Amino acid sequence: DTGVSQNPRHKITKRGQNVTFRCDPISEHNRLYWYRQTLGQGPEFLTYFQNEAQLEKSRLLSDRFSAERPKGSFSTLEIQRTEQGDSAMYLCASSSQEFTEAFFGQGTRLTVV
Amino acid sequence: AQTVTQSQPEMSVQEAETVTLSCTYDTSESDYYLFWYKQPPSRQMILVIRQEAYKQQNATENRFSVNFQKAAKSFSLKISDSQLGDAAMYFCAYRGTSGNTPLVFGKGTRLSVIA
Repeated sequence: DTGVSQNPRHKITKRGQNVTFRCDPISEHNRLYWYRQTLGQGPEFLTYFQNEAQLEKSRLLSDRFSAERPKGSFSTLEIQRTEQGDSAMYLCASSSQEFTEAFFGQGTRLTVV
Repeated sequence: AQTVTQSQPEMSVQEAETVTLSCTYDTSESDYYLFWYKQPPSRQMILVIRQEAYKQQNATENRFSVNFQKAAKSFSLKISDSQLGDAAMYFCAYRGTSGNTPLVFGKGTRLSVIA
């Protein structure tokens, strides 16, 4: 296992289109987090899963955003009707009960034109 | 709500010298975790060092050490013998002890290392 994997690494989309990102966490990690990072800022929490259950969502997660983790393994983050303000790096992280820290993927950079 | 403040947007250090990055946080909890993460350009974020609030002893990892002042809610990172590979964004982060608590990050400090 090489760590948290995110795909695609880069995505350019036209305003109004839908996009979906995938995150594969470290295999034994039951906790999975999505963060958004804009230029010059620290990551901002979006949502959190424990196994397949989505336990927490930030107010940043508008109704155009939806996240799933259907079998408690990989997760997807979908953004519908993208807006230019959605342009950011989307980071996924995972952790287990044994670790207090989270392990991050390389992120998906979204550009909405 | 917990907040993390990094007051130094940018710092620079000469190779082989020592630099200290500042971080303050606000919380009403008595037990929590603090972290420093490093994010090199176009690369993933990696953990540098972590500190449990209940431990008085400051954490150390090789050239990296922290100065944890719980009463002052201060958590600075000291990098000794700076190397070119230390150049990156450094983020201070807070996490409560509840399993559901996500990491709360500061805005980061961009560290440049001058050869």
